[in-house]
Amino acid sequence: EAQVTQNPRYLITVTGKKLTVTCSQNMNHEYMSWYRQDPGLGLRQIYYSMNVEVTDKGDVPEGYKVSRKEKRNFPLILESPSPNQTSLYFCASSPIAERSGIEQFFGPGTRLTVL
Amino acid sequence: LAKTTQPISMDSYEGQEVNITCSHNNIATNDYITWYQQFPSQGPRFIIQGYKTKVTNEVASLFIPADRKSSTLSLPRVSLSDTAVYYCLVGDSYGAGSYQLTFGKGTKLSVIP
Repeated sequence: EAQVTQNPRYLITVTGKKLTVTCSQNMNHEYMSWYRQDPGLGLRQIYYSMNVEVTDKGDVPEGYKVSRKEKRNFPLILESPSPNQTSLYFCASSPIAERSGIEQFFGPGTRLTVL
Repeated sequence: LAKTTQPISMDSYEGQEVNITCSHNNIATNDYITWYQQFPSQGPRFIIQGYKTKVTNEVASLFIPADRKSSTLSLPRVSLSDTAVYYCLVGDSYGAGSYQLTFGKGTKLSVIP
């Protein structure tokens, strides 16, 4: 089954304790992206990657890191989490193709709470 | 990526047809129009995409006028399960500058029994 998986789905942590949220897709998509969603603010893009070893900042990259060593994986790293990073996080992937719109496939989400 | 404007919220009774309009005055020649649906605590789900005129699938229809400066998502005979947030995106998967995406706040559709 074609899908985007994220782990963990739920995480409660404390300020300053490094964490990684994994994201994996099995559709051989070039493009992957991370979003956070907060009440009243909609979906905001954190980082995106157009292919292996190519990453770039989205709208809200501060406090996050990403890497794209393999095409299928795009982990989100919080080196020193803070309470303002408490949010619902989504990973997404999509193919890059000519004459096509932006059809992204989203993961189930990771609800992160930083105390 | 072209900016879009859509209503913040809409209410509808069950069984009615719902039309959500999105404005995208700066749409580029190669841009497509894509709509997503999001239920609470779930990731957005692609529902329909089009370039011009009309597109229909099993879920919705998308109407795009000749000037392409707006589009209308039409949901026939909505049910309570259609209560969700609907996002309109405009861009070209292959185009430079299309990768930094902004979903905005979408349109919150509430279906009333």
